[in-house]
This record gives sequence, structure tokens and C-alpha cells, in this order.
Amino acid sequence: EIVLTQSPGTLSLSPGERATLSCRASQSISSRYLAWYQQKPGQPPRLLIYGASSRATGIPDRFSGSGSGTDFTLTISRLEPEDFAVYYCQQYANSPWTFGQGTKVEIK
Amino acid sequence: QVQLQESGPGLVKPSETLSLTCSVSGGSINTYFWSWIRQPPGKGLEWIAYVHHSGSTDYNPSLKSRITISVDTSKNQFSLKMNSVTTADTAVYFCVRGQPVTGSYYFDSWGQGTLVTVSS
Repeated sequence: EIVLTQSPGTLSLSPGERATLSCRASQSISSRYLAWYQQKPGQPPRLLIYGASSRATGIPDRFSGSGSGTDFTLTISRLEPEDFAVYYCQQYANSPWTFGQGTKVEIK
Repeated sequence: QVQLQESGPGLVKPSETLSLTCSVSGGSINTYFWSWIRQPPGKGLEWIAYVHHSGSTDYNPSLKSRITISVDTSKNQFSLKMNSVTTADTAVYFCVRGQPVTGSYYFDSWGQGTLVTVSS
């Protein structure tokens, strides 16, 4: 099973600042098979990024993904008030599909 | 725009069977992969299983001995059964659509989720 480790656990930032979230895999995975999701309280996760860097339909371009091998990054260029949430990475390279433990982006 | 809606009992007794159904509207159940994912209160996400419209399935090994996933294409629904539940199975259960990519799929549409509590 591929273990995904996200860091930091919590990121305290102000609106307008840049957020950089990390996801590290326990073994190398093709960038084709890495996704990022956003989850707000009481809501299901929402797909942001698939294939490590492709934005899902309707996702603003302030969200970007990058990385390869075992290290992946989600960047939010300028935080909007609605971006404060929990973010999960997920691999779909090898079954069982697994998620990171999440990074909470909170208002400073 | 596809919509997914979970249904099933919100309370299940320990050692009994949890049964959930996901109704898919706004699109056909064919072509895609259909999964169940759960989230214990305040915790992270765990993939449970998938079913394809063809009937092929895959299960998380950690749960495989207790679960069955199935699809009913005539009703545009898919279902999950989990037996011998314990309090550790208390979670929000999401039904999710998998968008195919070469050799796999990613989760592009989620139901709102249904809380299942295991308690006597």
C-alpha cells in the first residue's frame, strides 16, 4: 500500500498570501495518478487537480499542482476567503487507492 | 451534471450488516467506475471498494473480507454491504464517480455523504 504523507498538518495564513502544500509518497508514482481535493466542513471533497497538474472543471487558476516521483505540491497563489479548508492528496496508481492525512489551511 | 445520492439506515447495531445504495442521476452509470469512500468523524478519507458497470470489482484489502459492492445498471444504482460492523465503522459514507484515465480513474463527482453510526 502506498502511504501519502502531507505537510504541514496545519498552515496558518492570511488572505492574499501564497499557500504551498506538500504530499510525499512512500514509493514513486507516475504523476498521471496523483490528485488533490478540497474539503470544507459538512461537505464532500471536491476535485481540484488530477494528473498532478491538470485543473478540474471550474477550478480557478490560482490553484496549481506540480511534482513527480515521490514529491508533489499544491500551490494556491493568492488565498481567497473561500480557500480556507482541508486539502487531501490521493494516489490512484496502485490499489488500494490511498489519501494523505490532510493539510488544514486556516486563517491567521 | 451527474448527481449521486446515498441512502440507507443511519444507525446499525454492532455485528449487523450495513447496507447502502447510491442512486445516480443526470448521467448513465455505464462507462465510469463507482466507488464507496468513508470518513470517520474528524478523520481522513478511506477508499472502500469500486464497481464498474461491467461488474468488475476491487476492494480495499483491509475491508475485503466483510464487504460486497454491486451495480444495478437497470436502476442506475450501485450498492455496498458491510457485515459484522463495529463502532470503528462509524463514518460518513460517500458514493463517488471515478473518471477513467489510462489504467485507472480519479474521483470527480461525490455524493453529499451519509452518516452511519454503529451503536447498540
